Parts: sequence; structure tokens; C-alpha cells
Amino acid sequence: AQTVTQSQPEMSVQEAETVTLSCTYDTSESDYYLFWYKQPPSRQMILVIRQEAYKQQNATENRFSVNFQKAAKSFSLKISDSQLGDAAMYFCAYIHFRGSTLGRLYFGRGTQLTVWP
Amino acid sequence: DAGITQSPRYKITETGRQVTLMCHQTWSHSYMFWYRQDLGHGLRLIYYSAAADITDKGEVPDGYVVSRSKTENFPLTLESATRSQTSVYFCASLTSLDYSGNTIYFGEGSWLTVV
Repeated sequence: AQTVTQSQPEMSVQEAETVTLSCTYDTSESDYYLFWYKQPPSRQMILVIRQEAYKQQNATENRFSVNFQKAAKSFSLKISDSQLGDAAMYFCAYIHFRGSTLGRLYFGRGTQLTVWP
Repeated sequence: DAGITQSPRYKITETGRQVTLMCHQTWSHSYMFWYRQDLGHGLRLIYYSAAADITDKGEVPDGYVVSRSKTENFPLTLESATRSQTSVYFCASLTSLDYSGNTIYFGEGSWLTVV
């Protein structure tokens, strides 16, 4: 069963525009962390943003922000003022820090983002 | 320099051979993970470890064996390689689940081809 679902295999955006990548997850636990990771063609995994599930405030890192809806189990990533260097595969992930599945780190299948000049 | 190192980075092996992919971290992170990345599947968890001598299965453990006798090392062994195990393998580590500012650190990946 897919624990983390990224429903958009591919997305594209014009440079300087805004794009939102969606992510939903399935868990019965209440204590977990959520992440977005970026993977450029080099295959290096780069942390974009992190969210603690117990925090209601949405995390923000410069041009990157999330819309975290805990009840809906949704964790979307918004990229503002898109740049050519944002083009990459983006992965959503979460890990429980309590409960029976403690320590399992799950990833979605990824969204390939293309940025057009 | 500190970090996670994987070896070998590239490996071609034959069906039926035993292959071991090494993962070494220079910190003392408690948690370590092995993933395989295949087109259309994202990163799938093979095994993970919460500490030395504590390991557990992930989503796709069949055909793989792990051990963790030392905190810093987490080798992944394919006991009898099959073509379906051709993939890119990533090792990762996590400082602690108790630290809200934790980050997952990844190795650079090991490209394995089974012919």
C-alpha cells in the first residue's frame, strides 16, 4: 500500500511563476515529521523544507513554503518565484517518532519539476 | 570530510553472485536506512536500523540482508543477485527522532547493475 502519495508525476512552471506540488500520506499515528527533498540530475538528495506535525504553523524557507493540513493528511510544497535551478525531482517523506512504526522513513514516488525560461 | 560514504559507487555483477554495498557515516547517528530508487517507484525502504544490532525490514526486504555491528557502518548484502535488483541504492542516516531540527543525510548512491 502506498503510504506517501504524490499524485503529480510531472509538473512544469514558467520561470518567476509559482507552482505547488501535492503530497498526501496515510498514517494513524499523530507524532511524525514531514520533509520535502529535491533531487537534481546529479542524484544528490537535498533537504528543501521540514515540518513537525505537532506545529500548526506552516514551515517556510525563503521561496519554499508548505501548506500542512494535518486532518486531511496533506503536505503540499509551494515554490514561489521559480528559478531554473529549481528543476529537479521532488520527494515528499515522513517519519514517525513515536508508535509501532517508529523510525520508518517513507518516501513518495516523486514529482519531476520542469522550469521553462 | 565528515558525512556518509557509500562504496562501491558503481558495480556490475552477474546473476547469482553475492554483492555487498557498504555505508559508513562519520557521525554517531542512531538511525540508518537503505533505499532503492527505480523509475516510477521513488525511494523504497529496504531495511532500517535504530541502533547497533537493531535492524528491521522496510517495504522491499526480500533478497537483501543487513547487519549493524558498529553504529557507523550499515552494509547491505544481496545474497544472490537477480536482474530485478538492478537499481540505484541510497544509504541515509538521521541524527535522532527526539530532535525537532533533525535532518536526514544521504550518501551519493551506489549504481548496481546485475547482468
